[in-house]
Amino acid sequence: GDSVTQTEGLVTLTKGLPVMLNCTYQTTYSPFLFWYVQHLNEAPKLLLKSSTDNKRTEHQGFYATLHKSSSSFHLQKSSVQLSDSALYFCASGTGGYKVVFGSGTRLLVSP
Amino acid sequence: DMKVTQMPRYLIKRMGENVLLECGQDMSHETMYWYRQDPGLGLQLIYISYDVDSNSEGDIPKGYRVSRKKREHFSLILDSAKTNQTSVYFCASSPGQGGAETLYFGSGTRLTVL
Repeated sequence: GDSVTQTEGLVTLTKGLPVMLNCTYQTTYSPFLFWYVQHLNEAPKLLLKSSTDNKRTEHQGFYATLHKSSSSFHLQKSSVQLSDSALYFCASGTGGYKVVFGSGTRLLVSP
Repeated sequence: DMKVTQMPRYLIKRMGENVLLECGQDMSHETMYWYRQDPGLGLQLIYISYDVDSNSEGDIPKGYRVSRKKREHFSLILDSAKTNQTSVYFCASSPGQGGAETLYFGSGTRLTVL
């Protein structure tokens, strides 16, 4: 079945440094990929989404590029802020109703 | 204002009691979902609802059932709750097929089964 893998459970960084959160997926269909962000005690919210191969998608300083050749959709930011501390989920859909989520990566940014 | 509302926010129940979690949305979205969130496991899909009285099991439906009698409301029912159903439950809605559309999440219900 379809699956999404996030290899890091926790990433800790000092503010101002760059970050990359890994996401790979498995699907037999043409995928839609999403990044959702969940701040403490809040609902998950969409951060980015893409279905176009090799096209960079950006929002709120974060960016990701869907690479179908490597089944990856890594999330990056060039300079993290304290407010970026949150739980980040990568998710995959196949254009149907089902969305599969990865296990999530918690990003902690320190002063 | 586009909103998904979940009630209650916190709930404590004893093993064997029945549990009703309610979700409402004001966006007339066709598709609604119930997920549970456990540490290290991400969001696991319990049920999908395509519209009124049109529901489908997700990946972990055992021990749960759902009801959707109006497009804006989607309920999750636990008959005779078990301690391993202690979790945070999220409802979400989508304007179409969620696999290609944004999911809009509620704030969650933290359920503790003692």
